[in-house]
Amino acid sequence: DAGVIQSPRHEVTEMGQEVTLRCKPISGHNSLFWYRQTMMRGLELLIYFNNNVPIDDSGMPEDRFSAKMPNASFSTLKIQPSEPRDSAVYFCASSPSKRRGLYNEQFFGPGTRLTVL
Amino acid sequence: AQTVTQSQPEMSVQEAETVTLSCTYDTSESDYYLFWYKQPPSRQMILVIRQEAYKQQNATENRFSVNFQKAAKSFSLKISDSQLGDAAMYFCALIQGAQKLVFGQGTRLTINP
Repeated sequence: DAGVIQSPRHEVTEMGQEVTLRCKPISGHNSLFWYRQTMMRGLELLIYFNNNVPIDDSGMPEDRFSAKMPNASFSTLKIQPSEPRDSAVYFCASSPSKRRGLYNEQFFGPGTRLTVL
Repeated sequence: AQTVTQSQPEMSVQEAETVTLSCTYDTSESDYYLFWYKQPPSRQMILVIRQEAYKQQNATENRFSVNFQKAAKSFSLKISDSQLGDAAMYFCALIQGAQKLVFGQGTRLTINP
C-alpha cells in the first residue's frame, strides 16, 4: 500500500496566484481530512469528507479556500487568491471509518509545504 | 470546545534515559480517544500510541507508555531507553464523537548522545 499521496511536496507561488493541492487517499478509506500546520496555530483541521461528501468545513479559514472530493480516490484543496499568510504545511489524511461511533485511525500523507511570496 | 495543552515547548534527554512529555486536555464528553503523534524532520505524522478514555489501563507500545489520569484530564507520554531516532516533535491529540482530531502545540524532543 502506497499510503496517502500528496502532490506537490513543495509549492512556491506569488501572492494572488491560484494554488491547488492534491491528495489521493488510501484505497478503501472513505473519510478524508485536510489539515494545516503553522508555527502560530499548530495543526488544525480545515475540512473533512465522508464518502466524498463534505461533513464539516468549519475550519476553512475563509472563502478563498475551497475543497472538493469528486471521487473516492482524489481530493483537492484550492486557494484562490493566495496570500503570504497561507504559507504552511498542508496535510491530507484518510481513515477507513468502518465502525460508526468509534475511532478509526487517520493515516497522514507527507504534506505539502506551501510558500506564498 | 475541546482543547489540548502541551506546556513543554522543548525537552531534552540523554540517550538511553527516560523522558516524560506532558499533556492536559479539556472536554465535556465522557467517551473520547487520546493520542500521541510523532513528527520527525521528514514531516510525516506517525501515530505513536493511543488511549481509549473508557479504559483504565494505561496503553503501552514497546518503549512508549502513557499515564492517563482521566479525572485530572492528564495524558503524559513516557519514553524509556531513549534512542536518537526518537528525536522529533511530539503532538498530543484528542478526538471525540466526530472524527475531528484536536492537537496540542507540540513538544520538540532532543536526544543527546
